[in-house]
Amino acid sequence: DTGVSQNPRHKITKRGQNVTFRCDPISEHNRLYWYRQTLGQGPEFLTYFQNEAQLEKSRLLSDRFSAERPKGSFSTLEIQRTEQGDSAMYLCASSLGAGGLTEAFFGQGTRLTVV
Amino acid sequence: QKEVEQDPGPLSVPEGAIVSLNCTYSNSAFQYFMWYRQYSRKGPELLMYTYSSGNKEDGRFTAQVDKSSKYISLFIRDSQPSDSATYLCAMVGGGFKTIFGAGTRLFVKA
Repeated sequence: DTGVSQNPRHKITKRGQNVTFRCDPISEHNRLYWYRQTLGQGPEFLTYFQNEAQLEKSRLLSDRFSAERPKGSFSTLEIQRTEQGDSAMYLCASSLGAGGLTEAFFGQGTRLTVV
Repeated sequence: QKEVEQDPGPLSVPEGAIVSLNCTYSNSAFQYFMWYRQYSRKGPELLMYTYSSGNKEDGRFTAQVDKSSKYISLFIRDSQPSDSATYLCAMVGGGFKTIFGAGTRLFVKA
């Protein structure tokens, strides 16, 4: 499967614990995006990388959230001191762009449940 | 008020019907308009992509953008049970941040 890969698919954690998700984009895609989707809602933008540079960051991304893309390939999203309100599907997408918007491909998502 | 408004449905139609899905938006800066399909517990999949105003057709799907009314539509002809999914409209203005509607749940009955 050469699509966007996200791991784990599901994560159940206790409130207050830290969690980390991984996203492997489509090979050679230089753009990578993180979104959060809650039940009955569309995805909400969290952050965007072009290669290893984090170029946009939503106000939704509180200080407890951090995202990295150290070598411009895979990316990680960490949530510290999880809260019940963090329960959601976390989606990663990647695209190939030299300018302008190009088609972004989404992964299957990581479903986080904070208990 | 949300930047993108989309009726969540659910919308239930018989097989073979023409389906009309719509979104309205408030931000005049939006230039790219997209429709995604999302099956349960899956990531969104891009169906159609339109720049600025006009129509675009791809098989059974037609996307329309009316920037003067800030209104976009997706039409599905000869709907099939396999079209049952949530349909998300999405828009991009300056930068690369995509704003999604809440999604419309569609059920096509055989």
